[in-house]
Amino acid sequence: AQSVAQPEDQVNVAEGNPLTVKCTYSVSGNPYLFWYVQYPNRGLQFLLKYITGDNLVKGSYGFEAEFNKSQTSFHLKKPSALVSDSALYFCAVRGPYGNNRLAFGKGNQVVVIP
Amino acid sequence: EAEVAQSPRYKITEKSQAVAFWCDPISGHATLYWYRQILGQGPELLVQFQDESVVDDSQLPKDRFSAERLKGVDSTLKIQPAELGDSAMYLCASRRGDPAETQYFGPGTRLLVL
Repeated sequence: AQSVAQPEDQVNVAEGNPLTVKCTYSVSGNPYLFWYVQYPNRGLQFLLKYITGDNLVKGSYGFEAEFNKSQTSFHLKKPSALVSDSALYFCAVRGPYGNNRLAFGKGNQVVVIP
Repeated sequence: EAEVAQSPRYKITEKSQAVAFWCDPISGHATLYWYRQILGQGPELLVQFQDESVVDDSQLPKDRFSAERLKGVDSTLKIQPAELGDSAMYLCASRRGDPAETQYFGPGTRLLVL
């Protein structure tokens, strides 16, 4: 069964500094990888995904993520963090076959300090 | 931009009462999901529909939870009777049939059982 690990509970970063949120995964076959963001009392908003092709994926709000097959990682990055980026971030993975469910990590709380 | 609709946004009920949540997926999305999210954790799948058929309800507590998608469009999730431990965010999501497609989430229903 597929699974995701997000090793840090909280990521603190100063406004204007680079932001990285880590994610490693386990899945049978080629992975479909996703990042979502959640603000308080809201649903999950899609940021970006990797399906195939270029390992560097660009998404919404200036976020990008790099797929690394050898390290089974899909870390989320932003060159310059904003206070409004403070939220809960979820990495998710699905296998390519049938009705494989989307497995979510436990989430990382990002706090951007003004 | 099309969105997944959910209602109500908030629900307060007493234990042993019945509650129901409604979801209208993005038009054309054959796959519909119901998730439960405990505060501070990632979403956990309760049930997955493909059109009007249930394809995965292995995590649904069937003694008290039920879900239907009679015409393959909107869906209802019911809890009867509600228990204190059911207090959580209930999220609906939908996607097109291909596993590579993005799964989009609604705003959620926050349930509080007293």
